[in-house]
Amino acid sequence: AQKVTQAQTEISVVEKEDVTLDCVYETRDTTYYLFWYKQPPSGELVFLIRRNSFDEQNEISGRYSWNFQKSTSSFNFTITASQVVDSAVYFCALSEAEGGSWGKFQFGAGTQVVVTP
Amino acid sequence: DGGITQSPKYLFRKEGQNVTLSCEQNLNHDAMYWYRQDPGQGLRLIYYSQIVNDFQKGDIAEGYSVSREKKESFPLTVTSAQKNPTAFYLCASTMTVNTEAFFGQGTRLTVV
Repeated sequence: AQKVTQAQTEISVVEKEDVTLDCVYETRDTTYYLFWYKQPPSGELVFLIRRNSFDEQNEISGRYSWNFQKSTSSFNFTITASQVVDSAVYFCALSEAEGGSWGKFQFGAGTQVVVTP
Repeated sequence: DGGITQSPKYLFRKEGQNVTLSCEQNLNHDAMYWYRQDPGQGLRLIYYSQIVNDFQKGDIAEGYSVSREKKESFPLTVTSAQKNPTAFYLCASTMTVNTEAFFGQGTRLTVV
């Protein structure tokens, strides 16, 4: 069963527009971790953020911000004032700390972001 | 610089051959992972290892084998039993379980 759902396959925006990427996860564990990664055309995944299940505080890092809501099992990612360099595939991932999936990352299908000048 | 090195970057395999993809890390990380990525899809876990001399099957282990004889190295062998091996393969490592993963630059395997 898909544990991480990224419903948006591709999002196209014009530079300076904001873009929000949705991530919905599924787990029965009380302790788990959520991640966002960026995959530029070069192929290597770049770590962006890690959040544990007990910390629902939203986070901002430069033009990036994350909204974690346990009530809706969502961990959404917003890029403010997008730039061409933001063009990439973005992955949301879940790592569960209990049970049979302990230590395994479950990735969503990814969202392709295309930023045009 | 610390990081993960995958080699080769591109690999071509004839049908029926086994090939081995290299993954080396100098981050002193305990856990290492192999993922497969197909066009337009997410990453699927092949094998992972949380400690030297131990590894576990992931979601799509059939047709693949691994070893973890050294902490730094986690090679992946794509055997002839893997019916559709053409894909992009990514190796990753984490300091411990549930910490952020660091990825290599990937190996693109093509069957010819």
